[in-house]
Amino acid sequence: GNSVTQMEGPVTLSEEAFLTINCTYTATGYPSLFWYVQYPGEGLQLLLKATKADDKGSNKGFEATYRKETTSFHLEKGSVQVSDSAVYFCALSDQSNAGKSTFGDGTTLTVKP
Amino acid sequence: GAGVSQSPSNKVTEKGKDVELRCDPISGHTALYWYRQSLGQGLEFLIYFQGNSAPDKSGLPSDRFSAERTGGSVSTLTIQRTQQEDSAVYLCASSWDRAGNQPQHFGDGTRLSIL
Repeated sequence: GNSVTQMEGPVTLSEEAFLTINCTYTATGYPSLFWYVQYPGEGLQLLLKATKADDKGSNKGFEATYRKETTSFHLEKGSVQVSDSAVYFCALSDQSNAGKSTFGDGTTLTVKP
Repeated sequence: GAGVSQSPSNKVTEKGKDVELRCDPISGHTALYWYRQSLGQGLEFLIYFQGNSAPDKSGLPSDRFSAERTGGSVSTLTIQRTQQEDSAVYLCASSWDRAGNQPQHFGDGTRLSIL
């Protein structure tokens, strides 16, 4: 079956530091990949997505590139802010599985001023 | 436009009681998911509805849990004979895409507390 493995947290960084949160996946088909974010006290919302190999999703300074050869979709940001403190979830959806989604366990990021 | 609506937002009940949680997805969305999120934990998949197909119930933790989706729209998650370990935030999400290329839209969740 499908699975998503994320870098374990929590991750604590200083403001303006470089962020990488690793995500690798296993899928029987050819999935679309997503990063969702959950800010404190809020619901989950889409951060970015990529639907085919070598696509780069980007939003709010975050980027992730769909790497089919390494089955990865690592999240990066060049300079984090305190307001980026949140829980980040990597996810995939697979057409061969009727579009069902699979989520990683989430990575908690805390950015200190 | 309207997003995914869940009700109630909070529910406190005694152990052994039955509870019903409601999800109103975005109009036109064919896919509907239920997840459970315990404090500080990730998302636990419960059940997935896609159009008129039979639901994927593989994530339901026990036969005390059931869900239905009427008319391809509103969904109700029912927990019978609640236990304290059922305490969690129950999230609903919907998506319009059958192929999985589009993201899920999440509701704000129902926080369930079992006394």
